Amino acid sequence: NAGVTQTPKFRILKIGQSMTLQCTQDMNHNYMYWYRQDPGMGLKLIYYSVGAGITDKGEVPNGYNVSRSTTEDFPLRLELAAPSQTSVYFCASSYGLRAGANVLTFGAGSRLTVL
Amino acid sequence: QQQVKQSPQSLIVQKGGISIINCAYENTAFDYFPWYQQFPGKGPALLIAIRPDVSEKREGRFTISFNKSAKQFSLHIMDSQPGDSATYFCAASSTVTGSARQLTFGSGTQLTVLP
Repeated sequence: NAGVTQTPKFRILKIGQSMTLQCTQDMNHNYMYWYRQDPGMGLKLIYYSVGAGITDKGEVPNGYNVSRSTTEDFPLRLELAAPSQTSVYFCASSYGLRAGANVLTFGAGSRLTVL
Repeated sequence: QQQVKQSPQSLIVQKGGISIINCAYENTAFDYFPWYQQFPGKGPALLIAIRPDVSEKREGRFTISFNKSAKQFSLHIMDSQPGDSATYFCAASSTVTGSARQLTFGSGTQLTVLP
């Protein structure tokens, strides 16, 4: 049981380049999330999904896009990379909505540097 | 309204001592308060959580104290061990009709336990 798997673990991009961060979970969780973590800033929600075909913006969605074609996969796309997107990105999933059922299982993170 | 304020930013404790991390919130709709633990290079993982109908919850050496009237909650780590050295995040959430239960995270506390 792998849990939440993110790829790549590390990536360096040039300004203006595009890339996709991949996220796959094998726990049959309906709910998936993308967070970014910046030093001293905690985790900020970028986008989330409540099921296949349904996505919604979080706190900091600008510069990102997501899709959810299957229950398992929730890729995050950066269209025009900017230095402000240098961060560590975490994908997470949860089973349900009720308190306690929404325990987040996080991936190991993807460290992105934009130069 | 959605902020969760966490302090201190960093904490150094001697082995066997008590580590205390504090969080405060404004949104009275929050009804679930988890703490996540993150080791370097890993994603956060749920440590312990509490609901506002209880004032204290203990799991082993970890205790959450909750003060609903003051809108504050804290994590106490008794008999702190070097293996507890990690970053700790408090969080809070509420159910918004039609939306996933979104967690709002504090900014994190980097705990170092000296041997």
